[in-house]
Amino acid sequence: GQNIDQPTEMTATEGAIVQINCTYQTSGFNGLFWYQQHAGEAPTFLSYNVLDGLEEKGRFSSFLSRSKGYSYLLLKELQMKDSASYLCAVRGGGATNKLIFGTGTLLAVQP
Amino acid sequence: GAVVSQHPSRVICKSGTSVKIECRSLDFQATTMFWYRQFPKQSLMLMATSNEGSKATYEQGVEKDKFLINHASLTLSTLTVTSAHPEDSSFYICSARDAHTGELFFGEGSRLTVL
Repeated sequence: GQNIDQPTEMTATEGAIVQINCTYQTSGFNGLFWYQQHAGEAPTFLSYNVLDGLEEKGRFSSFLSRSKGYSYLLLKELQMKDSASYLCAVRGGGATNKLIFGTGTLLAVQP
Repeated sequence: GAVVSQHPSRVICKSGTSVKIECRSLDFQATTMFWYRQFPKQSLMLMATSNEGSKATYEQGVEKDKFLINHASLTLSTLTVTSAHPEDSSFYICSARDAHTGELFFGEGSRLTVL
């Protein structure tokens, strides 16, 4: 079966660093994505990892360990506008390469 | 950049009626589109994979006769919620895969409220 787990909620302080973890067990693996979603809006692409290691993109970094079925999203210098849901998604193998989303983490950034 | 347009963005309908939601890729061809449903404070749940020119592939537990998917062209997929009930009220989001680059783009979502 498919299982992608994230913490349900997290709280962090403006200016700080926060790490959002994602563990997955899927049939097939062809990359892991992180998306940001504000309430009532569509997800916005943040990062993509297909090989082990760290991908850095400005204030956001994402790490992947395929052997451990684990990824994290690191947000630095937190801003109030970073308050949103963060979704981990795994692209399975096969012809359709469908994207399966994790449970999502609601991040609240406080002053 | 590439854009995926969903229409309508919001729809309110009476119980028992059918509602059609369109998903269009505006500047690229999409042989594959995906339909997701999202309930409040929950993540996106994949409903079905829509393939141009062929039948959609539905995820386990999704009724194919209730959620009709048509992908008649390389730029348009439609989701019809038939005989809608209040429990079908949700945020429906499509995504389209660029046939050339493989990149995935999301639509803006459609919020359905069934009274």
